[in-house]
Amino acid sequence: NAGVTQTPKFQVLKTGQSMTLQCAQDMNHNSMYWYRQDPGMGLRLIYYSASEGTTDKGEVPNGYNVSRLNKREFSLRLESAAPSQTSVYFCASSAPGTGTYEQYFGPGTRLTVT
Amino acid sequence: SQQGEEDPQALSIQEGENATMNCSYKTSINNLQWYRQNSGRGLVHLILIRSNEREKHSGRLRVTLDTSKKSSSLLITASRAADTASYFCATGYNQGGKLIFGQGTELSVKP
Repeated sequence: NAGVTQTPKFQVLKTGQSMTLQCAQDMNHNSMYWYRQDPGMGLRLIYYSASEGTTDKGEVPNGYNVSRLNKREFSLRLESAAPSQTSVYFCASSAPGTGTYEQYFGPGTRLTVT
Repeated sequence: SQQGEEDPQALSIQEGENATMNCSYKTSINNLQWYRQNSGRGLVHLILIRSNEREKHSGRLRVTLDTSKKSSSLLITASRAADTASYFCATGYNQGGKLIFGQGTELSVKP
């Protein structure tokens, strides 16, 4: 099993450009999450999806959109990138409905917006 | 706003010593988890303690939870250079899966 995979690993954007970060999990988890990690800030939740077909805002949703394409895939879109969105982005999944609350993380996408 | 506050922010010890990290949180929780992050990598789950548990062990890890003080501690015994990483506490505050992460403790274990 690959666990949680993310693409791309690195990306450089110019201000105003758009891009989509892809995430997929093969653990049959219902819940998926997008976080950003900035130096000294820990992880902050951007959006999450409790199950296929549902999405909800997290702590820092402004400037982002998400799509839960199916049970496996959860994408994060930046419509008009800003330098403040320079960060490392992590996708995670879990299965809280089964009483399994631990999250499994992907390797991250390092995004720089110039 | 982040739920978890961790201290110390950074900890440097010698191999073989014990490392203790603390986490405090603000609201009632369902569970508290500890994760490890090696430089440039994703987070890896270490241990989970539920709100009705007081102590839990896993290998060289010992976690305690004091819900009256809204605090937890992670003890790593007989540390190794390979334990060098950042450690994060995360709180789950209902039956759903959302977590709120602390800012982390950066542990350096010198050989």
